[in-house]
Amino acid sequence: KQEVTQIPAALSVPEGENLVLNCSFTDSAIYNLQWFRQDPGKGLTSLLLIQSSQREQTSGRLNASLDKSSGRSTLYIAASQPGDSATYLCAVISGSARQLTFGSGTQLTVLP
Amino acid sequence: KAGVTQTPRYLIKTRGQQVTLSCSPISGHRSVSWYQQTPGQGLQFLFEYFSETQRNKGNFPGRFSGRQFSNSRSEMNVSTLELGDSALYLCASSLAEMAEAFFGQGTRLTVV
Repeated sequence: KQEVTQIPAALSVPEGENLVLNCSFTDSAIYNLQWFRQDPGKGLTSLLLIQSSQREQTSGRLNASLDKSSGRSTLYIAASQPGDSATYLCAVISGSARQLTFGSGTQLTVLP
Repeated sequence: KAGVTQTPRYLIKTRGQQVTLSCSPISGHRSVSWYQQTPGQGLQFLFEYFSETQRNKGNFPGRFSGRQFSNSRSEMNVSTLELGDSALYLCASSLAEMAEAFFGQGTRLTVV
């Protein structure tokens, strides 16, 4: 059974800092990995999708990497802003399961 | 283009009642999945529909059911509501199975 872990559970940084969020998964036979952002009481916003054959994806100040062999992904946020404050969720679709398995998220606070 | 639309946004029901939640996917998307989000359990997969067929089901009791219509719209039904069913119910749509998932704003269900 696929398990997804996100560390740290919470992170507080001053504005302008570069930061890294971590995601690990137990079954490396994944189809893809997706990073989401969730604001309080809201739905999930898709940030980046990495297919299993890719090593990284970039969108603006965000860069996500994937290392299937070690079961890890990182989300790099450059020059953080207060508007980046949210919970960031990592999810994988495993080859055998037609569903997203989510980590518990990292709650990010960017202080002005 | 319009995103995933979930209705209603908020719902208050009494124990023992039943409830139906609705999800309209992004135009052209044929896969719809449902997830339950609670503070204690995080995001848990309920079921996935593709072309009106349930393709996968999570580990939830039979009180939770769903269906998908020919226009890809989906409904989720919970019968004999329990206090523990209080949660944010999220719907996601994808162009195809295991493709990038896009989520709606969710329906906040409170059971009293």
